[in-house]
Amino acid sequence: QKEVEQNSGPLSVPEGAIASLNCTYSDRVSQSFFWYRQYSGKSPELIMSIYSNGDKEDGRFTAQLNKASQYVSLLIRDSQPSDSATYLCAALGGSARQLTFGSGTQLTVLP
Amino acid sequence: KAGVTQTPRYLIKTRGQQVTLSCSPISGHRSVSWYQQTPGQGLQFLFEYFSETQRNKGNFPGRFSGRQFSNSRSEMNVSTLELGDSALYLCASSVGGANEKLFFGSGTQLSVL
Repeated sequence: QKEVEQNSGPLSVPEGAIASLNCTYSDRVSQSFFWYRQYSGKSPELIMSIYSNGDKEDGRFTAQLNKASQYVSLLIRDSQPSDSATYLCAALGGSARQLTFGSGTQLTVLP
Repeated sequence: KAGVTQTPRYLIKTRGQQVTLSCSPISGHRSVSWYQQTPGQGLQFLFEYFSETQRNKGNFPGRFSGRQFSNSRSEMNVSTLELGDSALYLCASSVGGANEKLFFGSGTQLSVL
């Protein structure tokens, strides 16, 4: 069983809509969570980090964390075609100092 | 501030050869991690170095090794290359504390023929 699971894609939303990306994790000792965006042929780019339960907003992006449910999500408001990319959820913590990534969700924002 | 720099950008090797990849972290960052990305397996952790010591290791065979120098630059070596080693190898750096964000380099695309 993969330790970080992301909702299967691909996901398509129209321009201006809200894109919702979800992630669950199995390791209860995970403490920090990150969302990376990866454009085709490029390396992952950090867009959000979240450490505490609740919401964290940064511009059009909102990350949500629920440690009791072991659930992390990313909302992208007013989606733009430039948001089209693969979004990777990652968890950090426990005895191993390593990021565990989900398989990614491919998002396409349609003009 | 310069980002994480990886060289070379592309590499083509044949089975049985060995390869060395290089990574220069962001100035002031002392932790360097290496990841392998393939379409089938996604991003997988190889190892992490901090202050010239390997601090953590993933589940890869001993053919994969690394080291870190006193200036925090890191190298990764793969010996006796196999076709399945074809992947994007990504280096990430951080200051080195717990729960820190990682910043990735552009990666080295390795093709094994």
